[in-house]
Amino acid sequence: DQQVKQNSPSLSVQEGRISILNCDYTNSMFDYFLWYKKYPAEGPTFLISISSIKDKNEDGRFTVFLNKSAKHLSLHIVPSQPGDSAVYFCAASASSNTGKLIFGQGTTLQVKP
Amino acid sequence: NAGVTQTPKFRVLKTGQSMTLLCAQDMNHEYMYWYRQDPGMGLRLIHYSVGEGTTAKGEVPDGYNVSRLKKQNFLLGLESAAPSQTSVYFCASRRQGYQPQHFGDGTRLSIL
Repeated sequence: DQQVKQNSPSLSVQEGRISILNCDYTNSMFDYFLWYKKYPAEGPTFLISISSIKDKNEDGRFTVFLNKSAKHLSLHIVPSQPGDSAVYFCAASASSNTGKLIFGQGTTLQVKP
Repeated sequence: NAGVTQTPKFRVLKTGQSMTLLCAQDMNHEYMYWYRQDPGMGLRLIHYSVGEGTTAKGEVPDGYNVSRLKKQNFLLGLESAAPSQTSVYFCASRRQGYQPQHFGDGTRLSIL
């Protein structure tokens, strides 16, 4: 039973346009959500997070939206840049006491110049 | 500031051999985690630690053991390596509260 799903394995966008990456979850106990970016041969790098008491969090070009009723979150990147090309993972946690994360499968974003 | 450092970066083992992967963090974080990543899949939690001297099982703990004798180090052991344990292993750490985990660059392990 996959509790966190990223249904799009890949996404290709033009430089300067918006990239929208999506993530769905099933566990209503999740209260903290994160997005990580991963380049080949490197570890995941934290991008942005959101707690369940909010529906939007913004950091520069990155915005995360949370729709609790739909159990859906999305990451918007505006404007997209070639350096944003990477694998993006969403992750969710149900307990700040342990901090255990459940990851989605990842979406590979390609930003074309 | 090194952050999270994993040793070694690459290793090839034969079935049945044992080895230990080392994770060291210099951020004074309480919590540490070991994940594995397989092709087409997200990271899956193997074991984790909420403080020095404590460890607990994650999603996929079978075939692995861990120890956290010092706050800054978290060791992952394979007692008898199996081909199914071929994977990329990531270590992470974080502070208390709603804080992100910070990851090392991984150990690529192949078991023949």
